[in-house]
Amino acid sequence: GAGVSQTPSNKVTEKGKYVELRCDPISGHTALYWYRQSLGQGPEFLIYFQGTGAADDSGLPNDRFFAVRPEGSVSTLKIQRTERGDSAVYLCASSFSGLAGGTGELFFGEGSRLTVL
Amino acid sequence: AQSVTQLGSHVSVSEGALVLLRCNYSSSVPPYLFWYVQYPNQGLQLLLKYTSAATLVKGINGFEAEFKKSETSFHLTKPSAHMSDAAEYFCVILTGRRALTFGSGTRLQVQP
Repeated sequence: GAGVSQTPSNKVTEKGKYVELRCDPISGHTALYWYRQSLGQGPEFLIYFQGTGAADDSGLPNDRFFAVRPEGSVSTLKIQRTERGDSAVYLCASSFSGLAGGTGELFFGEGSRLTVL
Repeated sequence: AQSVTQLGSHVSVSEGALVLLRCNYSSSVPPYLFWYVQYPNQGLQLLLKYTSAATLVKGINGFEAEFKKSETSFHLTKPSAHMSDAAEYFCVILTGRRALTFGSGTRLQVQP
């Protein structure tokens, strides 16, 4: 597609449930990022993939959060045993080669809004 | 650790007035700095970037930012605001080599 696509755009779930959020990056982009944006705050880094591997997962808040990118394209962010504090907009971004050297630009999707009741 | 601080969560200007959105950074190494914009119901997009080539950086839609090392600032300006500039603006710093760290954002309102 022309841009980064994220599904679902909205997800409402109950506390304790399992959730998957999907990101389809721009074709040919090897780098993929997940961010989380809580109300009134800027996006916070969660995880960075270069190809199929997670190059940096230091932003994942705890072991309930996990992300995969098995074929180096589509990525899925998985959240187990959701809590009310997980409610946020989850943003996905991709770039051609990552941010090394500071010259890279990230292309963001519109996000998946997760609400945990 | 590298970080950015945006001064003012909300800024309101009249159409045609100067836009000034403030950002200060903290970094122990020469920083790479960016401004991103988020229009209503759209994804974040890059407005401009500073990568040490020039201290005055021009971006899209008439915005520019000046890197001032002595003041550790990277303020965003536009001489004349347009209604379509209403959005949320984020000052961003490259952290390490892998990720961007965002400021808390400034919501710009443009009054007719």
